[in-house]
Amino acid sequence: GENVEQHPSTLSVQEGDSAVIKCTYSDSASNYFPWYKQELGKGPQLIIDIRSNVGEKKDQRIAVTLNKTAKHFSLHITETQPEDSAVYFCAASKPTGNQFYFGTGTSLTVIP
Amino acid sequence: KAGVTQTPRYLIKTRGQQVTLSCSPISGHRSVSWYQQTPGQGLQFLFEYFSETQRNKGNFPGRFSGRQFSNSRSEMNVSTLELGDSALYLCASSLGGVRGTGELFFGEGSRLTVL
Repeated sequence: GENVEQHPSTLSVQEGDSAVIKCTYSDSASNYFPWYKQELGKGPQLIIDIRSNVGEKKDQRIAVTLNKTAKHFSLHITETQPEDSAVYFCAASKPTGNQFYFGTGTSLTVIP
Repeated sequence: KAGVTQTPRYLIKTRGQQVTLSCSPISGHRSVSWYQQTPGQGLQFLFEYFSETQRNKGNFPGRFSGRQFSNSRSEMNVSTLELGDSALYLCASSLGGVRGTGELFFGEGSRLTVL
């Protein structure tokens, strides 16, 4: 099966600083890597995703990079704001079906 | 467009009992997946249904089961509850398709406490 590891488990940054969360995966067949944000009392919500034929993707203050050779992908949040405080999950899935393997989450706190 | 709706939101059961959770996906979504979320373990995949058929199954014991109806609504059942089954159970819907791998839209979850 697939194994997704995520680091760090907690991260505190000052408002305006950047935050980086890293994930590794084990199965080279995985080809879709989404990132989800979960706020307290709510279900996870997709914030950005990347497919294996792309090395980097950016959406305003959020970017994701993928290194297929090393089997790792990272989430970058620039100019962090207090509303970015939440738990972030990385995930990986293979080409068939909708079975996602999630990392254990990173609790991000942005200090005003 | 209404989101994914899960019921009940909270429930308390005792060991040995069984529980049924319900999920109504976004209109037009044919794939429904279930995940168990516990502190430190993240989200663990239970199973996925597409067009009333179980398409994928995670590594959970047979006490965990599910089904999907013709209107894409889904239920999951846990029999003979154990203390370790206490968790947030999340349902996610997606368009699905033959090859899957699409954006998951999660509900707010059903929080189960087993005493």
